[in-house]
Amino acid sequence: DGGITQSPKYLFRKEGQNVTLSCEQNLNHDAMYWYRQDPGQGLRLIYYSQIVNDFQKGDIAEGYSVSREKKESFPLTVTSAQKNPTAFYLCASSKTGGYTGELFFGEGSRLTVL
Amino acid sequence: AQSVTQPDIHITVSEGASLELRCNYSYGATPYLFWYVQSPGQGLQLLLKYFSGDTLVQGIKGFEAEFKRSQSSFNLRKPSVHWSDAAEYFCAVHYNNDMRFGAGTRLTVKP
Repeated sequence: DGGITQSPKYLFRKEGQNVTLSCEQNLNHDAMYWYRQDPGQGLRLIYYSQIVNDFQKGDIAEGYSVSREKKESFPLTVTSAQKNPTAFYLCASSKTGGYTGELFFGEGSRLTVL
Repeated sequence: AQSVTQPDIHITVSEGASLELRCNYSYGATPYLFWYVQSPGQGLQLLLKYFSGDTLVQGIKGFEAEFKRSQSSFNLRKPSVHWSDAAEYFCAVHYNNDMRFGAGTRLTVKP
């Protein structure tokens, strides 16, 4: 079955450490997105990529980095510069770069900073 | 500023009762409109979408939504709620390559 796979599902890190969240899709979608979810705040866009080797900052990109070397993969690195990284992170994809806004989501990764 | 508002943070309904979740948006033109559902610890699943045409749209799991241009609203409804509908529901709008989500409404279903 086609879909989006995020790993790990749960991740703990110490302050000052960088961590990378994996996102892989086999839907043959061009566009991929990373969202952060905090209680009562809905989803906020971190980064998005409409095509391989290109990506743009979203609303809350500070302290995060991404790469898009393959169409299927869009990993997110949470750096030590991110002041409040504890959150639920969602990866999504769409058939074309934001053409309709219909998104397909992975099951999320919960990051906890100890 | 463009925004999406879900006025109800938390709603509790009895199983078998009807449900309406509210969503309002503020955009200059009609955006594309969506409702997503999220079970605890899971990703979001698309319930239904409105792009154009008939203002009453049917979705999965027995949900429907009605677009009202005059009220800038896209409310989600279900005639009879099941215990498995307990989840968080997000309204989302897409306009000019910009996607915005509401803060969500958490639905609790009483037996």
